[in-house]
Amino acid sequence: DVKVTQSSRYLVKRTGEKVFLECVQDMDHENMFWYRQDPGLGLRLIYFSYDVKMKEKGDIPEGYSVSREKKERFSLILESASTNQTSMYLCASSRPQRDTQYFGPGTRLTVL
Amino acid sequence: GEDVEQSLFLSVREGDSSVINCTYTDSSSTYLYWYKQEPGAGLQLLTYIFSNMDMKQDQRLTVLLNKKDKHLSLRIADTQTGDSAIYFCAESKGGGGSYIPTFGRGTSLIVHP
Repeated sequence: DVKVTQSSRYLVKRTGEKVFLECVQDMDHENMFWYRQDPGLGLRLIYFSYDVKMKEKGDIPEGYSVSREKKERFSLILESASTNQTSMYLCASSRPQRDTQYFGPGTRLTVL
Repeated sequence: GEDVEQSLFLSVREGDSSVINCTYTDSSSTYLYWYKQEPGAGLQLLTYIFSNMDMKQDQRLTVLLNKKDKHLSLRIADTQTGDSAIYFCAESKGGGGSYIPTFGRGTSLIVHP
């Protein structure tokens, strides 16, 4: 089975802190994605990567950056956390040229 | 308007059938998906259908696709309390096209005794 893991299930940070969210997949997938999920808004794509050291902006990249130094790991970085970044963050991966995405369990981030 | 639309809530009685509906706008969509998200968890792929199919059945799940009307539905027979979750519809072009699915906002299915 494909396994996508995220470093934390719950995280509480203060405004202005730098926050790292880590995602690791064990199926050698080329594509990795970061989404945020908010009630009534569904999933919104923040960033994605289709190869090591490659990244592409999604629909809402402002306030976020990403890092993909190794194929299995994709990190989401909040340079200076703000209260409007309080959300559920979901990581996903997929094979190249294939659209079925496999999701991690999510990280619920609260910024105070 | 949105690319993929779903109603936000559906409430059913245990044992009844649930039908969750979805409409999409892109006529070149090749794959259509249903994902399930249980409380506090990530999304799990339930099933998918190719655009050249009308129907797909898998145990209690039946997916119907009306390509002309760009309408997708998910029917859950004999709905149980364990089926309570958010169900997301998604579409993609697949293959050499965009490999990023477009998701709907999700339908919260509430099953009551």
